[in-house]
Amino acid sequence: DVVLTQSPLFLPVTLGEPASISCRSNQSLDHPDGNTYLNWFHQRPGQPPRRLIYKVSNRDSGVPDRFSGSGSGTDFTLKINRVEAEDAGVFYCMQGSYWPPLTFGGGTKVEI
Amino acid sequence: QVQLQQWGAGLLKPSETLSLSCDVYGGSLINFHWTWIRQSPEKGLEYIGEINYNGTSYYNPSLKSRATISIDTSKKRFSLKLTSVTVADTAVYYCARGRIPGRYWGQGTPVTVSS
Repeated sequence: DVVLTQSPLFLPVTLGEPASISCRSNQSLDHPDGNTYLNWFHQRPGQPPRRLIYKVSNRDSGVPDRFSGSGSGTDFTLKINRVEAEDAGVFYCMQGSYWPPLTFGGGTKVEI
Repeated sequence: QVQLQQWGAGLLKPSETLSLSCDVYGGSLINFHWTWIRQSPEKGLEYIGEINYNGTSYYNPSLKSRATISIDTSKKRFSLKLTSVTVADTAVYYCARGRIPGRYWGQGTPVTVSS
């Protein structure tokens, strides 16, 4: 299975300040079809995860443009331009390049 | 607006069979994959498996053939069965639309396995 390692595990942030989360894979996530299926999710307590970013850098509909994704191969980053209160929760990376199974990172808890 | 409503038993004894279903409202099952994911403090988010509208299914090998996902397009429903449950299967179970789920998830069903 592809193993995704996120850092940090816990990220205290200040409103209006930037934040960055890293996701590293134990193998390249470049798929033979030319895509890289690395995705980012956000989860608030008591709710299912919500996808923010798909294929490394594409924002889902309705996702604020303060969120951006980047990276390639084995190293990926989610950046929040200016943290807002609603960003509190846990962020997960997830890969869909090599499955089954799809695999998730362990999560980064963002506390404001 | 697409909504996924999941239902099923939330308390099981070891060795019993977990059975959950997910009803799809406001959209078609056709041309999508339908996925089950679970979440526990011990294992985090874990992919269980998925099925497409034609009935082709894929599973997490870690479940060692205990999982079966089925689909009933006439009822707009897909279902999960997990046999021989143990305490390690205690988790919140989610259904979702898409191999890589986007916006549409069920509300989650807490399942506890306890003797």
